Amino acid sequence: GENVEQHPSTLSVQEGDSAVIKCTYSDSASNYFPWYKQELGKRPQLIIDIRSNVGEKKDQRIAVTLNKTAKHFSLHITETQPEDSAVYFCAARKSQAGTALIFGKGTTLSVSS
Amino acid sequence: NAGVTQTPKFRILKIGQSMTLQCTQDMNHNYMYWYRQDPGMGLKLIYYSVGAGITDKGEVPNGYNVSRSTTEDFPLRLELAAPSQTSVYFCASSGGLQYEQYFGPGTRLTVT
Repeated sequence: GENVEQHPSTLSVQEGDSAVIKCTYSDSASNYFPWYKQELGKRPQLIIDIRSNVGEKKDQRIAVTLNKTAKHFSLHITETQPEDSAVYFCAARKSQAGTALIFGKGTTLSVSS
Repeated sequence: NAGVTQTPKFRILKIGQSMTLQCTQDMNHNYMYWYRQDPGMGLKLIYYSVGAGITDKGEVPNGYNVSRSTTEDFPLRLELAAPSQTSVYFCASSGGLQYEQYFGPGTRLTVT
């Protein structure tokens, strides 16, 4: 089955710096890669996703890149702000009936002002 | 729309007790999921359903059961609760395989 590895497990940056979180996946048939943000005590919420026919997607300060050959994808946050502090999860899945999202273990991002 | 709702928000169980965690969605989603999240860990899939009457095991199904008699409801049953089942449980739903999963607010369960 699918296995998703996420690095680093913790990341501390200064406000205004960029943050990069990386994930690798094992199943080459996976073709949907979402990123979720979870604030302390809250539910995970989708912040951006990418499908395998696209190499990069951007939404304001957040971007995701996908390298299908290497089976890895990354989240980039520019001009970080204290409210970006949260746990970020990557995930992967196939477009095959009966499959589900498999999540990485998460990255705790701390942005200090 | 209320989205995905879960009850209860908190529960303390004694070892060996049973309980049902309720999950309801009002978005007419076919896909529903149960995850558990242990402290400092990611989300582990317990069970999922691709439609009413259809359920399947995820990564960590032992000690749990589910049913899906309607599109809206996807209850998770814990039989003979054990301390290892202390966790936060999230229910989620999605409209398709490559669509956003919407999560409920979670149920914090402690087994002592």
